[in-house]
Amino acid sequence: NAGVTQTPKFRVLKTGQSMTLLCAQDMNHEYMYWYRQDPGMGLRLIHYSVGEGTTAKGEVPDGYNVSRLKKQNFLLGLESAAPSQTSVYFCASSQAGTSVQYFGPGTRLTVT
Amino acid sequence: SQQGEEDPQALSIQEGENATMNCSYKTSINNLQWYRQNSGRGLVHLILIRSNEREKHSGRLRVTLDTSKKSSSLLITASRAADTASYFCATDGGSSASKIIFGSGTRLSIRP
Repeated sequence: NAGVTQTPKFRVLKTGQSMTLLCAQDMNHEYMYWYRQDPGMGLRLIHYSVGEGTTAKGEVPDGYNVSRLKKQNFLLGLESAAPSQTSVYFCASSQAGTSVQYFGPGTRLTVT
Repeated sequence: SQQGEEDPQALSIQEGENATMNCSYKTSINNLQWYRQNSGRGLVHLILIRSNEREKHSGRLRVTLDTSKKSSSLLITASRAADTASYFCATDGGSSASKIIFGSGTRLSIRP
């Protein structure tokens, strides 16, 4: 099993450009999450999903959109990138009703 | 805002010594977890302790939980170079299992 995978691993965007980050998991988990991690800080929740076709806002949702069209995939979109969105983005998944999360390797995004 | 705050922010010890990290949180919880993050990698779940437990062991890890003080500690015994990483506590804030909130982490360095 690959676990949780993220695509791409690195990306550089110019201000105003858009992009989509893809997260995939092969553990048949119901829940999926997108976090961002800034230097010296813990993870902050952007959006999450408790099942296919459902999404919800986390702590820092502004400037991001998400979609969960398939159970195994969770997409994070930036419609108009800003330098403040320079960060490392992590996807995670968990079984329904449990707190333990499994993380992907991260995507390092730089917005210039 | 972050639920958990780790202390110290950084810790450097000699290989073979024990490392202790502390976490304080603000609201009631159902459980508390500890995760490890190696440089440039995703987080890996280490251990979960429930609110009705006071101590839990897993290999060289020992976790304690004091719900009256809203605090937890992670002890790593007989440290190794491979233990060099950042360690994060995470709590569910007493709400549903779908979300957890991470602290800002402790950076542990093991000197050979």
